[in-house]
Amino acid sequence: AQTVTQSQPEMSVQEAETVTLSCTYDTSESDYYLFWYKQPPSRQMILVIRQEAYKQQNATENRFSVNFQKAAKSFSLKISDSQLGDAAMYFCAYRSGGGADGLTFGKGTHLIIQP
Amino acid sequence: DTAVSQTPKYLVTQMGNDKSIKCEQNLGHDTMYWYKQDSKKFLKIMFSYNNKELIINETVPNRFSPKSPDKAHLNLHINSLELGDSAVYFCASSRSRVNTEAFFGQGTRLTVV
Repeated sequence: AQTVTQSQPEMSVQEAETVTLSCTYDTSESDYYLFWYKQPPSRQMILVIRQEAYKQQNATENRFSVNFQKAAKSFSLKISDSQLGDAAMYFCAYRSGGGADGLTFGKGTHLIIQP
Repeated sequence: DTAVSQTPKYLVTQMGNDKSIKCEQNLGHDTMYWYKQDSKKFLKIMFSYNNKELIINETVPNRFSPKSPDKAHLNLHINSLELGDSAVYFCASSRSRVNTEAFFGQGTRLTVV
């Protein structure tokens, strides 16, 4: 079974600074997808960014980018120019290429933005 | 229009009661899911339906029964509620069961007293 590990229960960053959230995963599959979801206090789960394992290029969405290291099974999220609205729980998630098992989530990282 | 909507958003009920949570998606997706988020924020899949057919049924007490009347709806019925069932339940959908991201509803916070 796949596992996803987020080793940082909580991170804090000054507004406008850059922060990196860590995620590692364990799988024996070669075809899979990785995601970062954001959960603000409103509880809504919002997709931040997605990475296909077969793509070598790291995904980028505006201020959000990932560092995908397939051999190391690492998938970190970098948030540049942090904003107050970025404060939330961030979940790393794994999905098999076949999709049959749904999403496997890490335990989340609580991101605090200091004004 | 909300893409994935769940009702109710909050549900407070007594132990032993039976309750249902409804979910509807207007995205035209084939696959729908139920996830449970516990008090420590950990999210775990419970069920998945693809075109009204059950494809994932994780180790969940059989007091939990999903029902999909059509591919746009996936309801969750819970019998004989227990204190440990208190959690946030998320409905989600994806275009298909393979390699697409899931879109989540706003969650239902269930509190059993």
